[in-house]
Amino acid sequence: EVQLVQSGAEVKKPGESLKISCKVSGYTFTTYWIGWVRQMPGKGLEWMGIIYPADSDTRYSPSFQGQVTLSADKSISTAYLRWSSLKASDTAMYYCARIPSPDGYNLDYWGQGTLVTVSS
Amino acid sequence: QSALTQPRSVSGSPGQSVTISCTGTSSDVGGYYYVSWYQQHPGKAPKLMIYDVSRRPSGVPDRFSGSKSGNTASLTISGLQAEDEADYYCSSYAGSYTYVFGTGTKVTVL
Repeated sequence: EVQLVQSGAEVKKPGESLKISCKVSGYTFTTYWIGWVRQMPGKGLEWMGIIYPADSDTRYSPSFQGQVTLSADKSISTAYLRWSSLKASDTAMYYCARIPSPDGYNLDYWGQGTLVTVSS
Repeated sequence: QSALTQPRSVSGSPGQSVTISCTGTSSDVGGYYYVSWYQQHPGKAPKLMIYDVSRRPSGVPDRFSGSKSGNTASLTISGLQAEDEADYYCSSYAGSYTYVFGTGTKVTVL
């Protein structure tokens, strides 16, 4: 069974750093791209970027380029989303999801989401 | 890269059909056969309902169907049921490993 299990909710202060995780199981981690999606409170879904765990090839949506960093650890089948300096506007739910590559262009399995709250 | 345009809300009575439109450009919806649709219930993660414009993943009822014409894709829910009440988002591949979501549509079952 394919599963993506994300780390728990976080409460941070502006300026702090944060790394959230997405641990996958049930398939070979290195053979599918992983996408990250933001959903701000009461708002819609936004593509942030994608990463190919086999070689850490990473592509960012223009809106998120330079704002976050995607990474992956093949040894523990885990993808990460990192901020170096959080802002209040980063408060949102963040989802990881699998892209059924190489011929897939959608998100077929999703994590449960990680709620990030940034407040002074 | 602007969000794809969806109606804010649609509604229908049980058993009726509703259609949600998703309008983009020739750089996304019109340029690729890679439109997908997601259902999201409150407080839950999104769920893939349609991919590659009209293909249904295993387990998704055949009441859900997708199509595309030019720069506009559509999701139709036939035989509307109470459990179909949710938010729906379209998404399209936009080239160079980039993707874009729609603005989202709330489906209400009257």
